[in-house]
Amino acid sequence: DGGITQSPKYLFRKEGQNVTLSCEQNLNHDAMYWYRQDPGQGLRLIYYSQIVNDFQKGDIAEGYSVSREKKESFPLTVTSAQKNPTAFYLCASSIESWENYGYTFGSGTRLTVV
Amino acid sequence: QQQVKQSPQSLIVQKGGISIINCAYENTAFDYFPWYQQFPGKGPALLIAIRPDVSEKKEGRFTISFNKSAKQFSLHIMDSQPGDSATYFCAASKSDSWGKLQFGAGTQVVVTP
Repeated sequence: DGGITQSPKYLFRKEGQNVTLSCEQNLNHDAMYWYRQDPGQGLRLIYYSQIVNDFQKGDIAEGYSVSREKKESFPLTVTSAQKNPTAFYLCASSIESWENYGYTFGSGTRLTVV
Repeated sequence: QQQVKQSPQSLIVQKGGISIINCAYENTAFDYFPWYQQFPGKGPALLIAIRPDVSEKKEGRFTISFNKSAKQFSLHIMDSQPGDSATYFCAASKSDSWGKLQFGAGTQVVVTP
């Protein structure tokens, strides 16, 4: 089955640690995105990538970093510089004619700082 | 600041009733307006979408109404069922901001039996 796989489903991080969230897709989609979801705030765009080896900052990129070395993979690193990292993180992908098909989202990773 | 404002934050409707969720936007350059449905612990899934050249789009029990002059659009869920209980997000984007959707804050819908 084609889709997006995010791992892990739950992640606990200590203060001052960097953590990396995995996102893999086998849909052959060109574009990939990372969103952060907080209660009452909807989804906010962190980073997005339209092609391999290229990515752009979204609305809330501070404290995060990404890479796009392969078309299938778009990992997100939450660095110690992110002041409030506890949230639900969603990865998505789309084809060029995304407006007809929308995004395909993964099932998310819930990150908690302990 | 949120570019798409969504209301209400939550609503409870009886089975068979109509659920109505409203969204408003300021950026007149937005030209694509999708709605997403999210169940607990899952990622959102595209439900229905509309462009501003039509005032209404219907897919099954779900209808989008679009008012370009008022910069508002709404989702109507007819004959609401308990399986429709989920969080619904409206979103908007510009064609030249390829793939960058701006989401509303979400509405939690609970359909009681």
